[in-house]
Amino acid sequence: DTEVTQTPKHLVMGMTNKKSLKCEQHMGHRAMYWYKQKAKKPPELMFVYSYEKLSINESVPSRFSPECPNSSLLNLHLHALQPEDSALYLCASSPHLDRVNQPQHFGDGTRLSIL
Amino acid sequence: GESVGLHLPTLSVQEGDNSIINCAYSNSASDYFIWYKQESGKGPQFIIDIRSNMDKRQGQRVTVLLNKTVKHLSLQIAATQPGDSAVYFCAEFSGLGNEKLTFGTGTRLTIIP
Repeated sequence: DTEVTQTPKHLVMGMTNKKSLKCEQHMGHRAMYWYKQKAKKPPELMFVYSYEKLSINESVPSRFSPECPNSSLLNLHLHALQPEDSALYLCASSPHLDRVNQPQHFGDGTRLSIL
Repeated sequence: GESVGLHLPTLSVQEGDNSIINCAYSNSASDYFIWYKQESGKGPQFIIDIRSNMDKRQGQRVTVLLNKTVKHLSLQIAATQPGDSAVYFCAEFSGLGNEKLTFGTGTRLTIIP
């Protein structure tokens, strides 16, 4: 079982809907990440949070809005998504960005389908 | 641009045999590497890592080799089991921190009973 928990496991939504993906970790990690993974492709970084502040935005469209309400939680708010946004969205965490050579630990993802 | 890639997209190995998964990287500044295993319907699972000041590291049934001269990374799995069937990704960190993790394209390993 993974120590990074993501909900929901599956989500189907229309292009006009608003939904949120949630991620939680209780390992005391202070860096959290969102990745997008298309079928048969490697994960691609979207956002990085460090100490609850946005550190990196990999030029992600504004229809994806991340939020880190506290050190254990990471949300990804979705609005007006496109069919090409259908993918597996993975959350990860690591101790903190100041410590190098620490692996990221991943959740099992949310499988998102846009109708 | 610089990238992390794998030589073979698929690999089939007889159960009980050893397997070797290869990875080429192009960023000579990369200083930390990780192998992840991803099973169907799951997220990437950490297997083993290696720093650039090492050339070999062993875990339980797994060994990672790093050849900085030719920028090559490999994962050896000993006595493969059906549960080893998965997609394996190498990933590299480069730069000042560990915030940017770049994944290779992945190799699907299938264990034949």
